[in-house]
Amino acid sequence: QVQLVQSGAEVKKPGASVKVSCKASGYSFTSNHVHWVRQAPGQGLEWIGIIYGSDGSTRHAQKFQGRVSMARDTSTSTFYMELSSLRSEDTAIYYCARETGASGGIPFDYWGQGTLVTVSS
Amino acid sequence: QSVLTQPPSVSAAPGQRVTITCSGSSSNIGSHHVTWYHHLPGTAPKLLIYEDNKRPSGIPDRFSGSKSGTSATLGITGLQTGDEADYYCATWDDTVGAGVFGGGTKLTVL
Repeated sequence: QVQLVQSGAEVKKPGASVKVSCKASGYSFTSNHVHWVRQAPGQGLEWIGIIYGSDGSTRHAQKFQGRVSMARDTSTSTFYMELSSLRSEDTAIYYCARETGASGGIPFDYWGQGTLVTVSS
Repeated sequence: QSVLTQPPSVSAAPGQRVTITCSGSSSNIGSHHVTWYHHLPGTAPKLLIYEDNKRPSGIPDRFSGSKSGTSATLGITGLQTGDEADYYCATWDDTVGAGVFGGGTKLTVL
């Protein structure tokens, strides 16, 4: 069965970087796009970016320009999202999610369990 | 401030019907399919509706989706207390070149 298993919770100081991993199994690794989404405490869902399944290219929300890096390792079927220059507002649960084969609308059928990133001095 | 606008909350009695609206623009809902998610905070969101009105396997037909122009609607009939959750609409936006979520709607079953 399809599974996305994320790395564990992180506590970081302001200005530091965090790298969250998402290991995929149960499907052909390159057949689906994978997205990153976060939810800050008391806030709604926020789209961070996408790693395209076909070639591993990425695209991210303008808000994270210069701070986010996404990648995949085909040898281990693992996706990565790194966020730098962390600030308190980046405290959130970060999710990876697999996009279905449906046409558009960012439909995600499988999600990782979430990784809590806490930014605190 | 979300690109997609949802009411912050809706409520209805058990057994009743409720609708949740999602208002956007020509660059998002007007150009792309809409997706709806069910979310309990602290857990992974669950896909409820995709391509405007399609239900994944396992989602009961009490849940329905529709779209007209630049707005979409999620309908839930036969409300159950277990339906209490946050509901989010989502789609792609061509102007910002990014995925976008609505602000979320908290459903309370009275």
